[in-house]
Amino acid sequence: GAGVSQSPRYKVAKRGQDVALRCDPISGHVSLFWYQQALGQGPEFLTYFQNEAQLDKSGLPSDRFFAERPEGSVSTLKIQRTQQEDSAVYLCASSLVAGGPREQYFGPGTRLTVT
Amino acid sequence: AQTVTQSQPEMSVQEAETVTLSCTYDTSESDYYLFWYKQPPSRQMILVIRQEAYKQQNATENRFSVNFQKAAKSFSLKISDSQLGDAAMYFCAYRSASNFGNEKLTFGTGTRLTIIP
Repeated sequence: GAGVSQSPRYKVAKRGQDVALRCDPISGHVSLFWYQQALGQGPEFLTYFQNEAQLDKSGLPSDRFFAERPEGSVSTLKIQRTQQEDSAVYLCASSLVAGGPREQYFGPGTRLTVT
Repeated sequence: AQTVTQSQPEMSVQEAETVTLSCTYDTSESDYYLFWYKQPPSRQMILVIRQEAYKQQNATENRFSVNFQKAAKSFSLKISDSQLGDAAMYFCAYRSASNFGNEKLTFGTGTRLTIIP
């Protein structure tokens, strides 16, 4: 079956522009995660949804970052007034249910470059 | 807060040989899960192996096995009979098991594994 998909795969934004990154999780997956991966680093947690409820947004670096999953499936990560430090790969992951040692399935990521 | 440390930024191994990647972590929790993820150059992260902290037996998946030392907070990955397709970044990750809603993974900085033909 289809895996996690993300769009766009690459995004170049001028500093100060707003961007929206989309994640399509695996159908039926309850949990959805966003991670930020800077060059040469491991992914860092941004936020987590269980269905449409955003249960944890402790990793969002500033109030310029906003995520939503209004119908419990597709999610959008929005970054307002982008800054150079926002340049990174943004990874989306989903898992079937909450709890247990459940595998998170990752998408290919969106590489954001802020110029 | 939990932290995960991978002290080997790069490793290389001859094809068909065995290599061990190191991972240590810091936590005050007693119940948690540990994972090794592989990220090939295409960047899609794939689960390699997982370990539940309450299980004493080390997890094994075909050529991949772990050495889980709970008291030492160590979780190393052994790859036997290395193949060219094993070349990738390998990330160690931690997840709490104790809190509902606390599902996030905490990753180390990764180890880049090169396979020498």
